[in-house]
Amino acid sequence: GENVEQHPSTLSVQEGDSAVIKCTYSDSASNYFPWYKQELGKRPQLIIDIRSNVGEKKDQRIAVTLNKTAKHFSLHITETQPEDSAVYFCAAPPDFGNEKLTFGTGTRLTIIP
Amino acid sequence: EAGVTQFPSHSVIEKGQTVTLRCDPISGHDNLYWYRRVMGKEIKFLLHFVKESKQDESGMPNNRFLAERTGGTYSTLKVQPAELEDSGVYFCASSRDGGDEQFFGPGTRLTVL
Repeated sequence: GENVEQHPSTLSVQEGDSAVIKCTYSDSASNYFPWYKQELGKRPQLIIDIRSNVGEKKDQRIAVTLNKTAKHFSLHITETQPEDSAVYFCAAPPDFGNEKLTFGTGTRLTIIP
Repeated sequence: EAGVTQFPSHSVIEKGQTVTLRCDPISGHDNLYWYRRVMGKEIKFLLHFVKESKQDESGMPNNRFLAERTGGTYSTLKVQPAELEDSGVYFCASSRDGGDEQFFGPGTRLTVL
């Protein structure tokens, strides 16, 4: 089955600096890679996703990069703000057409004002 | 549109008791998923419904867990009898037919004493 590893488990950055979270996956057939943000006491919410036919996708201060050869993808947050503090999860489906998600262990991001 | 809702938000029961969790997906979403996060670890897949049919139940831990989705609308997840290791946050998610994004509910925090 799919195995997703996520690093780091915790990350503290100064407000205004950038944050990078990395994930690796095992199943080369995976083709969809979402990132979820879970604020304290709230539900996980999709913040950005990428399909395997592109290498990078950007949405304002958030970007995701994908390296299919190396089987890893990363979340980049620039100009971090206090509201970016949350737990971030990467995920991948095991193979094409299989919709269940395998999640990474999560990264607790803290933005220091 | 109304989001995914779950009931109850919290449940505290004693070992050996029965608990039933409910999930109401977004109206019109054929896909319904159950996930669980135990003790701050990764969010783990339990099962996937397409309408009223179980598409994939490979993540169900054992036969103490029973999920139903009669009529293809809301779903229930029953744990009987509950054990200490069942404690965690149970998330429900739904998605459209052919859609990628899974919309998560707020979760039910289950504590088994």
